[in-house]
Amino acid sequence: EDKVVQSPLSLVVHEGDTVTLNCSYEVTNFRSLLWYKQEKKAPTFLFMLTSSGIEKKSGRLSSILDKKELFSILNITATQTGDSAIYLCAVDGSSNTGKLIFGQGTTLQVKP
Amino acid sequence: GAGVSQSPSNKVTEKGKDVELRCDPISGHTALYWYRQSLGQGLEFLIYFQGNSAPDKSGLPSDRFSAERTGGSVSTLTIQRTQQEDSAVYLCASSQFWTAGQPQHFGDGTRLSIL
Repeated sequence: EDKVVQSPLSLVVHEGDTVTLNCSYEVTNFRSLLWYKQEKKAPTFLFMLTSSGIEKKSGRLSSILDKKELFSILNITATQTGDSAIYLCAVDGSSNTGKLIFGQGTTLQVKP
Repeated sequence: GAGVSQSPSNKVTEKGKDVELRCDPISGHTALYWYRQSLGQGLEFLIYFQGNSAPDKSGLPSDRFSAERTGGSVSTLTIQRTQQEDSAVYLCASSQFWTAGQPQHFGDGTRLSIL
């Protein structure tokens, strides 16, 4: 059965800290891995990764994929209170539909 | 529209009633997905539309759940004879195509509460 596992499930840090969120997966037909940030309502798209070893970066956030070891990490440097959210990892392991399999999410709380 | 729009944002109904949830995808997006997010659980896939057809309905939990899409745009998810375990946030997402390289963009969801 295809599955995606995130760790830790929750994390509390102080502003300015650096955090690393983990996502491991087991799927039959890997196509892509996506990271989303969910605050109050809609998950918002952060990154899509399809190739190993190529870092995607956006401001203080970055992510990388290891297709050999079947995991991805999401790094956030110099955290701010606005980074507090649930971070969702999802994998497209479909053959032709694009349906996503989600992990449980990591709840990040950044304290002032 | 600018983003995926869902309505209603909240729905409270009595057990046994039917409910209809609506999703208006981003203009031009041909792929549309429904997911369900229950308390303490990750997002769970329900159904996928490409245009007006639904080639993957594998996530629908029972025959009380159905969905349709018309005009390659708006989709409705219908739950008949609602049960308390149907309480969840129902999220809709759309993308330009189903192929890899096209991320899904989500609406704010409908929070469904069954009394």
